[in-house]
Amino acid sequence: QITLKESGPTLVQPTQTLTLTCTISGFSLSKSGVSVGWIRQPPGKALEWLALIFWDNDKRYSPSLKNRLTITKDTPKNQVVLTMTNVDPVDTATYYCAHGSKVNWALFYWGPGILVTVSS
Amino acid sequence: QSALTQPASVSGSPGQSITFSCTGTSSDVGGYNYVSWYQQHPGKAPKLMIYEVNNRPSGVSNRFSGSKSGNTASLTISGLQSEDEADYYCSSYTSTSTLGVFGGGTRLTVL
Repeated sequence: QITLKESGPTLVQPTQTLTLTCTISGFSLSKSGVSVGWIRQPPGKALEWLALIFWDNDKRYSPSLKNRLTITKDTPKNQVVLTMTNVDPVDTATYYCAHGSKVNWALFYWGPGILVTVSS
Repeated sequence: QSALTQPASVSGSPGQSITFSCTGTSSDVGGYNYVSWYQQHPGKAPKLMIYEVNNRPSGVSNRFSGSKSGNTASLTISGLQSEDEADYYCSSYTSTSTLGVFGGGTRLTVL
């Protein structure tokens, strides 16, 4: 059974760095074709792709956020970490991690999400 | 502004068929068969309903089907049921960023 779960701070102050962890089970981050992505959704708004990392450590980023994001994976720990620097209140959103495949670019399994509020 | 264009809302009565549209460009929807559709109920994580334009994951009802013509993809729900009331998002691979891109979402209301 494949599961993902996001963890991290739920309240962050403006200008700080946000670090979110996605802990996975039921699959390996080293399996060919596997990817884990981060997607966010501001309250009442649409989904937005943030970043994606593949089994071979290939990384992709949203062009509008590329300078602020870093995605990494720790295969033995079964974790994928997303770091966002210099956060702003507009970054307030529910952040999801999801399991995908490079074969079809679909996100088959999602974590429950974590609501992160950026406020002083 | 979302890269893929979806109508903000649609509505239908139980038993009817309803179709959602998702319009992109030749850099995303029109150029690749990597269109996915996600259903999202309030307060819940999205759920994959269709991938690669017209494939259903295991466990998804065959009332859901997908298609594509040119730069526009479509999701059809037949035999509309009350539990289908949710937000629906399309997504596609885009060569612009070599990442995915979502539509703005369509809220389905079952009358």
